[in-house]
Amino acid sequence: GAVVSQHPSRVICKSGTSVKIECRSLDFQATTMFWYRQFPKKSLMLMATSNEGSKATYEQGVEKDKFLINHASLTLSTLTVTSAHPEDSSFYICSAKTDSYEQYFGPGTRLTVT
Amino acid sequence: GESVGLHLPTLSVQEGDNSIINCAYSNSASDYFIWYKQESGKGPQFIIDIRSNMDKRQGQRVTVLLNKTVKHLSLQIAATQPGDSAVYFCAENKGAGKSTFGDGTTLTVKP
Repeated sequence: GAVVSQHPSRVICKSGTSVKIECRSLDFQATTMFWYRQFPKKSLMLMATSNEGSKATYEQGVEKDKFLINHASLTLSTLTVTSAHPEDSSFYICSAKTDSYEQYFGPGTRLTVT
Repeated sequence: GESVGLHLPTLSVQEGDNSIINCAYSNSASDYFIWYKQESGKGPQFIIDIRSNMDKRQGQRVTVLLNKTVKHLSLQIAATQPGDSAVYFCAENKGAGKSTFGDGTTLTVKP
């Protein structure tokens, strides 16, 4: 089956530093990748849509300069949280899809900013 | 506006009973719906999907029902097991493959 990985699974960083999260489709080529954010006991909120080789499309209210997304290849997208602050602490989840409707989700990355 | 929501935030059932988790959506133009299961600390796991041209779809121990008249979606789990305990989300798949998630229902299975 289609597998999506994320790295790291957990990261703790100091306020003001930047953190990069990787999302990889391991056994398929993803034309589109999505980045979600999830707060405790809450639903997933779509942050941005990432297409290989083009700029990401951000959802309303998501700061593109703070959450930098790069989709360099058909199997890799990265999310960089720049100048992280405690309020950026969250569970970040990516998903990947081909041309079909189905999305395949990664296991998530727990970011804690101290 | 568009929204996808679930009727109940929590559901507790006895092991072996059937579970029914409900979801209401507001966008009548939606054409694809998915149910996901999320265990603590993990990403969502696909359970079953249904397109708007269908009323019912069955999988292994799970059935999804779609009522377009009242814009209602349900997930039925037969013979619920402890391993089914998780948070269940319905999602509406919009254009360009973007999914809008509902608030989630936490299913607890009592032994």
